[in-house]
Amino acid sequence: QSVLTQPPSASGTPGQRLTISCSGSSSNIGGNTVNWYQQLPGTAPKLLIYSNNQRPSGVPDRFSCSKSGTSASLAISGLQSEDEADYYCAAWDDSLNGPVFGGGTKLTVL
Amino acid sequence: QVQLVESGGGLVKPGGSLRLSCAASGFTFSDYCMAWIRQAPGKGLEWVSHTCSPVSNGNDADSVKGRFTISRDKAKDSLHLQMNSLRAEDTAVYYCARGGYGAYYFDNWGQGTLVTVSS
Repeated sequence: QSVLTQPPSASGTPGQRLTISCSGSSSNIGGNTVNWYQQLPGTAPKLLIYSNNQRPSGVPDRFSCSKSGTSASLAISGLQSEDEADYYCAAWDDSLNGPVFGGGTKLTVL
Repeated sequence: QVQLVESGGGLVKPGGSLRLSCAASGFTFSDYCMAWIRQAPGKGLEWVSHTCSPVSNGNDADSVKGRFTISRDKAKDSLHLQMNSLRAEDTAVYYCARGGYGAYYFDNWGQGTLVTVSS
């Protein structure tokens, strides 16, 4: 059972805007920044968003993140077929003294 | 460019031991926290352990505390994970990852090495 809670699946059509939620607690999301990872099928995870809403070089601005209290969400605008992947939220947890992850959301582009 | 290459995975019996290695290149290894993160088959990501200096200053997940030991070799720019008393639930792909802003996030990942614990 993951510390952060995400919906197991999400789906959308090309061009659509879609959001994926992530819920935590005061010891993780509530007190620290949120990060998101994208894992394409059969590959290692890749950092998608860090420090709430910073994108590493090469990540398109179609991806953005927002945070409120102990929850966060990843927004993907202009959905594309290559966005089909598993998405994980993560945050530092002050009680565990380590990073915690969500269970992952499998995104399907219809 | 940053490269992380894991090795050492394989099949081991319950109660056995295995040592994973991660060869790092393309960056100043001693400047970064490094971590092991695992993914059981069909499951999500789980932080295992991280270290932020040759002297430690890291932590281990409760699920592996007392059984796994993370270490780093500054001279060889490599990260290791000594895994003892292995259990079936330790079966996973183990990723080596470079920390950003300490170990708050991980900006580069290796390709992973599969550890299977089975009799």
